[in-house]
Amino acid sequence: DVKVTQSSRYLVKRTGEKVFLECVQDMDHENMFWYRQDPGLGLRLIYFSYDVKMKEKGDIPEGYSVSREKKERFSLILESASTNQTSMYLCASRRSGTSMGEQFFGPGTRLTVL
Amino acid sequence: RKEVEQDPGPFNVPEGATVAFNCTYSNSASQSFFWYRQDCRKEPKLLMSVYSSGNEDGRFTAQLNRASQYISLLIRDSKLSDSATYLCVGARGGAGSYQLTFGKGTKLSVIP
Repeated sequence: DVKVTQSSRYLVKRTGEKVFLECVQDMDHENMFWYRQDPGLGLRLIYFSYDVKMKEKGDIPEGYSVSREKKERFSLILESASTNQTSMYLCASRRSGTSMGEQFFGPGTRLTVL
Repeated sequence: RKEVEQDPGPFNVPEGATVAFNCTYSNSASQSFFWYRQDCRKEPKLLMSVYSSGNEDGRFTAQLNRASQYISLLIRDSKLSDSATYLCVGARGGAGSYQLTFGKGTKLSVIP
């Protein structure tokens, strides 16, 4: 079974703090993704990476950056957290060459910025 | 216009009922389509792909109509365990790098 893990289930941070969200997958997948999910807005893609050291902006990259130094790990960074970044953050991974629609999601990190 | 739009529901149906969800997509969207399922407080999981010819997986049938830009999911003989939010998803991209665009989801509650 593919396993995607995220460093925290719940996180509370203060406005202006630098926040790191970590995602690790154990199935040697090339592609990794960061989404946020908000009521009424659904899942929105923040950034994705199709291989190590590669990164691409998704639909809502503003206020975020990412790092992919190792194949199994994809980090999402909030340089200066703001209250509008309070959300559920979901990481996903996908193996290149498989169905384009098949992404495996982690359990999510619920981030609250006070 | 959002790329993928679906009726948010909720759909409240009795066990054994047949329920259908619809989804529309815009021209700028996607090459392929999928249905994902998300249980309460859980992560989304792929339910099935959607093909123009229609495809069936047990009690679930998915259909894509490219002319009408319309996607559907039919659930027959609903079970309590089918209660979840169903997400209509479009995929776009190429060269090994695909992005998914998610609809906001349709919530289904199957009632005993």
